[in-house]
Amino acid sequence: RKEVEQDPGPFNVPEGATVAFNCTYSNSASQSFFWYRQDCRKEPKLLMSVYSSGNEDGRFTAQLNRASQYISLLIRDSKLSDSATYLCVVNPRGAGGFKTIFGAGTRLFVKA
Amino acid sequence: DTEVTQTPKHLVMGMTNKKSLKCEQHMGHRAMYWYKQKAKKPPELMFVYSYEKLSINESVPSRFSPECPNSSLLNLHLHALQPEDSALYLCASSQVGTKNTEAFFGQGTRLTVV
Repeated sequence: RKEVEQDPGPFNVPEGATVAFNCTYSNSASQSFFWYRQDCRKEPKLLMSVYSSGNEDGRFTAQLNRASQYISLLIRDSKLSDSATYLCVVNPRGAGGFKTIFGAGTRLFVKA
Repeated sequence: DTEVTQTPKHLVMGMTNKKSLKCEQHMGHRAMYWYKQKAKKPPELMFVYSYEKLSINESVPSRFSPECPNSSLLNLHLHALQPEDSALYLCASSQVGTKNTEAFFGQGTRLTVV
């Protein structure tokens, strides 16, 4: 089983739509969780951290369910500029310390 | 603007060449990482340095040799690479030991092995 698994996508949505991405992780000792965004031929950039109580940043809401080892990202009122690959990231603690492990990513296309 | 700087941005090398990728950060981060990313795939962890010591090697072939000369610099020495090693190589840094250790990435070096 992969350490981090995501919805395969791609997601094709119209502007203004609400879209949700899901992610599961296998290491129950994982401490930190994030969503990153990666544009074509660019480096990944942090979108938001994910906290146990859930957190919101404008149109973006992240949720964490430790019991189910599940993370989600909700984007409301999608914009054309939201088109990108969204990567779920988990920091499991291995023998050598914390890693930063990426899910496969979900591509989002927002159309006018 | 990224606070992690990688050089060069592009590199073409032959299979018998020796080259080095460089990464620098001045955020005071004591964890630094090398990732390899192939097209349409996520970044794949190669190495982790913590307090300038190699803490994680994800079974990377010895033709890739990392080095951390000080807390701000991370190098990746390349020797006798294969065409399948062509990829985007990303450097990242983060704090160590805190709960939310988000990683900050450089813009990457796009490597082509011919």
